[in-house]
Amino acid sequence: EPEVTQTPSHQVTQMGQEVILRCVPISNHLYFYWYRQILGQKVEFLVSFYNNEISEKSEIFDDQFSVERPDGSNFTLKIRSTKLEDSAMYFCASSEFGSPETQYFGPGTRLLVL
Amino acid sequence: DAKTTQPNSMESNEEEPVHLPCNHSTISGTDYIHWYRQLPSQGPEYVIHGLTSNVNNRMASLAIAEDRKSSTLILHRATLRDAAVYYCILPNSGAGSYQLTFGKGTKLSVIP
Repeated sequence: EPEVTQTPSHQVTQMGQEVILRCVPISNHLYFYWYRQILGQKVEFLVSFYNNEISEKSEIFDDQFSVERPDGSNFTLKIRSTKLEDSAMYFCASSEFGSPETQYFGPGTRLLVL
Repeated sequence: DAKTTQPNSMESNEEEPVHLPCNHSTISGTDYIHWYRQLPSQGPEYVIHGLTSNVNNRMASLAIAEDRKSSTLILHRATLRDAAVYYCILPNSGAGSYQLTFGKGTKLSVIP
């Protein structure tokens, strides 16, 4: 069964450093998403991406965040200058064109900012 | 998204049916009802969705009230692997928004 994959599974970085989290969505999906979950809290929407552009973003997704689909398979989330409060699990998700609310999530990347 | 209300937690014995309720009294006519779950230390997982009619798939059944103001996710035989947080979500897709807004959900414990 096709699945969303994410790398790395864990990332430790120093405050102020840039990080890039990578995702490979399911191959025939056209909508891509990033969510995050701070330890013990709710899953929060960050951004959605369709047709090579951002379609929605939340207040969390400020200028420090960016997304890119550099080729036909990868979808990346970049945090330019990490803060302590960026420590969280980051989940990538993807969905088909006809059913964008039915989203398939990856296993997540645990980001720890020191 | 339309607001949903779920119990904070529920318990079930293994191999018994589980009925997880969700109230969504402000649902609009075009809102689909989606259920996701999150197993410990994993990403959310799609379970099922429906609009008006009851729905079945290999994971669960979804029973939707006639007035659509509530729904129930039914796990026919709970297993230990079903222990998770279950989320009832009504995406605001009628307004072109596909983001999922996760609440606190219902934490289901399955007792062996």
